Amino acid sequence: EAQVTQNPRYLITVTGKKLTVTCSQNMNHEYMSWYRQDPGLGLRQIYYSMNVEVTDKGDVPEGYKVSRKEKRNFPLILESPSPNQTSLYFCASRSLAGGPEDEQFFGPGTRLTVL
Amino acid sequence: AQSVTQLDSHVSVSEGTPVLLRCNYSSSYSPSLFWYVQHPNKGLQLLLKYTSAATLVKGINGFEAEFKKSETSFHLTKPSAHMSDAAEYFCVVSAVSGGYNKLIFGAGTRLAVHP
Repeated sequence: EAQVTQNPRYLITVTGKKLTVTCSQNMNHEYMSWYRQDPGLGLRQIYYSMNVEVTDKGDVPEGYKVSRKEKRNFPLILESPSPNQTSLYFCASRSLAGGPEDEQFFGPGTRLTVL
Repeated sequence: AQSVTQLDSHVSVSEGTPVLLRCNYSSSYSPSLFWYVQHPNKGLQLLLKYTSAATLVKGINGFEAEFKKSETSFHLTKPSAHMSDAAEYFCVVSAVSGGYNKLIFGAGTRLAVHP
């Protein structure tokens, strides 16, 4: 089954404790992206990657890091989480072979709470 | 710059009555437009997409949307609401940024369906 998986699905942590949220896709997609969803703001892009070793900032990158060492994986790293990073996080992927109408596939989400 | 405005943050309907979720977009060129649905505790699922082939787009679960260039609108409709339609709906435009197409999300409309 074609899918994007994220782990963990739920995470409660404390300020300053480094954490990583993993994302993996099995569709051989070149493009992967991380979003955060906050009430009334929709989804905002944190970072994206066009292919292995190619990453770039989205609209809200502060406080986050990513890496793309393998095509299928795109982990999101919070080196020193703060309460304002409490949010619902989505990983997504899509093929770059088509055009702008190509569907982006989303993972199930990770709900992060930083105390 | 491309942007999306969802005109209602909450919509409440009775089961069996029509659904209308309103979306206006801003784009400097012919856009690709999408509607995604997010059920509680689930990821985002593509409902339908507009890619300039036809102005009336049919999607899954009986939803459809009409692209009106003169009004810069892409409203989502369904003739008869079902309880299972209760979810959050996002209107999305695909915008060119940094040489690729990124998704710009509206703030979302939460649809409640009452018996």
